[in-house]
Amino acid sequence: AQSVSQHNHHVILSEAASLELGCNYSYGGTVNLFWYVQYPGQHLQLLLKYFSGDPLVKGIKGFEAEFIKSKFSFNLRKPSVQWSDTAEYFCAVNFNDYKLSFGAGTTVTVRA
Amino acid sequence: GAGVSQTPSNKVTEKGKYVELRCDPISGHTALYWYRQSLGQGPEFLIYFQGTGAADDSGLPNDRFFAVRPEGSVSTLKIQRTERGDSAVYLCASSSGGEETQYFGPGTRLLVL
Repeated sequence: AQSVSQHNHHVILSEAASLELGCNYSYGGTVNLFWYVQYPGQHLQLLLKYFSGDPLVKGIKGFEAEFIKSKFSFNLRKPSVQWSDTAEYFCAVNFNDYKLSFGAGTTVTVRA
Repeated sequence: GAGVSQTPSNKVTEKGKYVELRCDPISGHTALYWYRQSLGQGPEFLIYFQGTGAADDSGLPNDRFFAVRPEGSVSTLKIQRTERGDSAVYLCASSSGGEETQYFGPGTRLLVL
């Protein structure tokens, strides 16, 4: 069955630290990949997406993600986090159709 | 520009009651989706509309759940005989096409007592 897994449920780090959130999916076919973010009290917002082309994707607010097809992974990174990056992050995959399958989410807490 | 809007933002009801949740998509978006998000989990797909028709309702948990989109714009998710297990945040998203980026609304938080 197609599934999406996020490795960390909760990550706590200090400002200026680097962040990497893991995302893996199980499916051998064509996929579209997304990272969404939900800031406290706000709705889901798109951080970045990968449909095709350069596997290193740059998104908003300094985030980037790398699609590694051989590892079925789409990890999210940010070199230096800020307190305002405190949020819940969701990896989502479109398995060659229209609906999104989401991971369980990772809560990121950045300490000032 | 206006994003996806959902009303009400919160709904408290009693077990056994009927509820309707409304979604107003981004203007011009032909595709509309409903998802449900339970505490501590990611959103789960419920139903997908392309225009007025439900192209895929395979995520609806049972026949108490029904959704319509009569004019290809606003959609209503209807839940009959609500149960405590229906308590969740119901999210609506829209996109310009079936496999395009989905933009989410703020959700309706449903609490069934």
